[in-house]
Amino acid sequence: RKEVEQDPGPFNVPEGATVAFNCTYSNSASQSFFWYRQDCRKEPKLLMSVYSSGNEDGRFTAQLNRASQYISLLIRDSKLSDSATYLCVVRITGGSYIPTFGRGTSLIVHP
Amino acid sequence: EAGVAQSPRYKIIEKRQSVAFWCNPISGHATLYWYQQILGQGPKLLIQFQNNGVVDDSQLPKDRFSAERLKGVDSTLKIQPAKLEDSAVYLCASSSSGVAGDYEQYFGPGTRLTVT
Repeated sequence: RKEVEQDPGPFNVPEGATVAFNCTYSNSASQSFFWYRQDCRKEPKLLMSVYSSGNEDGRFTAQLNRASQYISLLIRDSKLSDSATYLCVVRITGGSYIPTFGRGTSLIVHP
Repeated sequence: EAGVAQSPRYKIIEKRQSVAFWCNPISGHATLYWYQQILGQGPKLLIQFQNNGVVDDSQLPKDRFSAERLKGVDSTLKIQPAKLEDSAVYLCASSSSGVAGDYEQYFGPGTRLTVT
């Protein structure tokens, strides 16, 4: 079983749609969680951190469920510019905070 | 603020040849990471440095890959000899600290390696 699992998609949605991605992690010692965005042939960039209480940034909402060991990303009112790959990142405690990336979920927003 | 710099941007070599990649992190960032990203997959951490010490290199194929971060600033990643399966994008990232987990990683543009 992989440490961090994501549905690769692609998720193909029309503009204005709401779309949600999940990411599951296997190591219960995981302490820090993030969503990164990667555009085609570009480097990943931080989209948002995921806190225990959940957090929202405009159209984006991230949630953490420690009991079930998953994090989620909700995008409301999708824009064409949201088309990208969304990478889930989990950092394990133990003094080193080693980051582990999921394979990413591809989102395509069409007119 | 200048970002993470990497060179070269592209490299094509034949199998069994050697190659080296260079990374200059954001000024003041103590933690430096090297990732390998194969097409269609997420970045895989190869090695993480805290200043000039190695924090984790458990996924670095040490029979052929080596990395160093002399003086705790720039870093080089070397592959010797290269195999076809090493074809990938090699990403360098830096963050302000690795002591606490909640620090953003800033990525360079990557080096796209093709091994023929």
